Amino acid sequence: AQRVTQPEKLLSVFKGAPVELKCNYSYSGSPELFWYVQYSRQRLQLLLRHISRESIKGFTADLNKGETSFHLKKPFAQEEDSAMYYCALSAENTGNQFYFGTGTSLTVIP
Amino acid sequence: GAVVSQHPSRVICKSGTSVKIECRSLDFQATTMFWYRQFPKKSLMLMATSNEGSKATYEQGVEKDKFLINHASLTLSTLTVTSAHPEDSSFYICSARPFPITDTQYFGPGTRLTVL
Repeated sequence: AQRVTQPEKLLSVFKGAPVELKCNYSYSGSPELFWYVQYSRQRLQLLLRHISRESIKGFTADLNKGETSFHLKKPFAQEEDSAMYYCALSAENTGNQFYFGTGTSLTVIP
Repeated sequence: GAVVSQHPSRVICKSGTSVKIECRSLDFQATTMFWYRQFPKKSLMLMATSNEGSKATYEQGVEKDKFLINHASLTLSTLTVTSAHPEDSSFYICSARPFPITDTQYFGPGTRLTVL
């Protein structure tokens, strides 16, 4: 079964501090992983995907197959980073269905 | 944890027919549910916000007569794609916001619609 776990429902960090949002998954195949972000009163939007290996808004995420993790990191948090973050897995063996984690609410304290 | 299911997970239909997709919150009540559509490059687009007992609120550019949404109970919302065309083929995802919590939502696994 495919599962995505985000262990932290709430996370608070000070501005300028490093931030890491954890995501662990379980999947028997080769996963495609994503981070989505939802800012207050805005729609959910794609932040990054592991295939592209890019950095968006200073965030990076590396797929670690050994630890089955896809943690989202940023070295210096900004106030505008405060939002809900969802980790998601796309499972090829079930028609690319999406499995979302329950989300982590990040608050960056000024 | 809170679970949201969607049925069916995959559906293939002929052009011109209608397809109904169900979204259920299995262990919580959801006064608000959201319907998303996935586009290429995996971006999600919010189609509409469904509120129990009232009319859905559609996002700009989404045809309300084509994508009928019904939220008849606190645990069920349905999306009906009417007179489906191949361009409606996509991945449709719902999410549910548990009552009375307002700062989180739980996503369903999605439904893959293919219109031939």
